[in-house]
Amino acid sequence: KAGVTQTPRYLIKTRGQQVTLSCSPISGHRSVSWYQQTPGQGLQFLFEYFSETQRNKGNFPGRFSGRQFSNSRSEMNVSTLELGDSALYLCASSPGQGPRGEKLFFGSGTQLSVL
Amino acid sequence: GNSVTQMEGPVTLSEEAFLTINCTYTATGYPSLFWYVQYPGEGLQLLLKATKADDKGSNKGFEATYRKETTSFHLEKGSVQVSDSAVYFCALSSNDYKLSFGAGTTVTVRA
Repeated sequence: KAGVTQTPRYLIKTRGQQVTLSCSPISGHRSVSWYQQTPGQGLQFLFEYFSETQRNKGNFPGRFSGRQFSNSRSEMNVSTLELGDSALYLCASSPGQGPRGEKLFFGSGTQLSVL
Repeated sequence: GNSVTQMEGPVTLSEEAFLTINCTYTATGYPSLFWYVQYPGEGLQLLLKATKADDKGSNKGFEATYRKETTSFHLEKGSVQVSDSAVYFCALSSNDYKLSFGAGTTVTVRA
């Protein structure tokens, strides 16, 4: 069974641009979550989707948005990029049955660098 | 809100040494507790979990016990190997569809 696939693996953008990151969950998984990982802030929750509905959102500005498609694939978008958005963005999937206690399967991440 | 506090690293050990990484948490209700591991160049993967008080999670020689009275979930391994070198994250989940992570502890095991 294929794991969680994130594309692209690396991305370089300049301030003010926007970026879209993609995540394909494990087949059969209906929940997709996104996390931002930085050396200073660690792992921060961005949002979680289940069956195209956002069930929770982290404390990030409105420049960060996401969506989930009917095939469970998900995208996140960051508009008007800032230097501080440079980070590893991790996607995770799970079957999505309950609000707690589930094992998350993480992708290898997209490393975003904002210049 | 929920939060996780992990002992700071980095931690450097010799092979076959005993490893302990302390983790304490603050949460409303009764969260589930996890340890995730991130090997160099890879994504996070679940190491073990516990879903209620006094549960013991175990995997690959690692163990952690859910202690509600001390709000702790310390990770232990009796004899580490070089292949255990990684970053270890303690995390919790309440009824909110998300994980709250600790800052991570970098462990390096020398041969």
